[in-house]
This record gives sequence, C-alpha cells and structure tokens, in this order.
Amino acid sequence: LAKTTQPISMDSYEGQEVNITCSHNNIATNDYITWYQQFPSQGPRFIIQGYKTKVTNEVASLFIPADRKSSTLSLPRVSLSDTAVYYCLVGDNRGTYKYIFGTGTRLKVLA
Amino acid sequence: DTGVSQNPRHKITKRGQNVTFRCDPISEHNRLYWYRQTLGQGPEFLTYFQNEAQLEKSRLLSDRFSAERPKGSFSTLEIQRTEQGDSAMYLCASSLGEAATDTQYFGPGTRLTVL
Repeated sequence: LAKTTQPISMDSYEGQEVNITCSHNNIATNDYITWYQQFPSQGPRFIIQGYKTKVTNEVASLFIPADRKSSTLSLPRVSLSDTAVYYCLVGDNRGTYKYIFGTGTRLKVLA
Repeated sequence: DTGVSQNPRHKITKRGQNVTFRCDPISEHNRLYWYRQTLGQGPEFLTYFQNEAQLEKSRLLSDRFSAERPKGSFSTLEIQRTEQGDSAMYLCASSLGEAATDTQYFGPGTRLTVL
C-alpha cells in the first residue's frame, strides 16, 4: 500500500483557490488516488477520485502528473464551510484493499 | 437518505461493560468496513466483510472485539470488557464491490466514551 505525505495544515481566505498536494512516490500501477473531506464528529466524505491527468467534479479538481508520484486537490473559491481535514489515499479497491489514512491536511478558511 | 447509517451515535459506558454498535450499509453494497478514529488522527482500519464473510482483521482488533455481518446486510461490532483506551469514534463504510473505482462511503460514526 502506497504511503502518502501531505502538509499538516493550511490557512486560506474565503474566495481563494486552495491547492493541497499529496506525495505518493511508491504508487503502484493499479492504484487510484482518492480524496476525502472530514468535518469534526462526522465520517469522511468522498470528494474526488482519479487515476491520471485531470478530473473535475462539482466541488473540486484533481491534478495528477504523468509520473503519478503526486497529486493536487484544487478547491475553487473556498468558503468558511470548507474548513475541514482533507485526506489523500492511494490504493487499489480490488482484492483485500483497505484505506490507510494519514493524519491529513487541516484546512482553515478565514473570513 | 440512503447513505450508511450507524447506531447509536453516542455511547457512554463504564469500564468493563460490553457494548455493541450497528452499521447499515448502502443497499446492495457488498463490502463493509469498520474503522476506529481517535482525536487528531485519521481513521484506522479494523476489519472488513465481503458479503457475510469477514476477510481481514487488523491486529488492532483484539480478542475483546468481534464483528459480524450475518446476512450480508447490516453489521455489528461488539467490544467486550471495555477499557478506557477503547474510547474513540467507530466508523463504518461500505462499497459496491471489487472494481478499482468502487470507493468507500462512510457513515456518521459512533462515538464511544469509556469512563
């Protein structure tokens, strides 16, 4: 299972774009990259998943370079409600795959 | 709402008592996972089921912990002779199956406090 490294914390202001980068140097060929958001006292919430290049949905974009050794979650125009912990996970959902969470990135959005 | 549900949401118990938590996964999801999360840490994997079969257990799951998924639908996690170190949020997640893109969807968790 690939280990991931993320910044421990980030601060941003409302309306700004926030980019959180995750390093996963030993990602395997079959691994996907998945990001979750977690608010206090709630379960993690799926944000976005990708394998390569760029993926975009209604809440975020995920940028993955060709070597796939890192990925960047991009949150456009953040608001106070985006204050949360963001987790990057890599793995293959097939087989006996289980998620290995790190400590995540604590994003604080300031007014 | 047809998401993952967990009951109870909060449980306070005295050391030495037994507790049981329930998880109802998203309908037709074949896989069900249990995680434990302590303050300031990410969730830690405990065990998972493929339908009714328990396929993997973490070493975190001591002999005092047992999980079941008798009919491949809901699951229960029981902790016997609770200890203060068991105080944590217990999270349940489910996923559809074995496809590479079958992501896990988490429930709201059960907060256990052992006095």
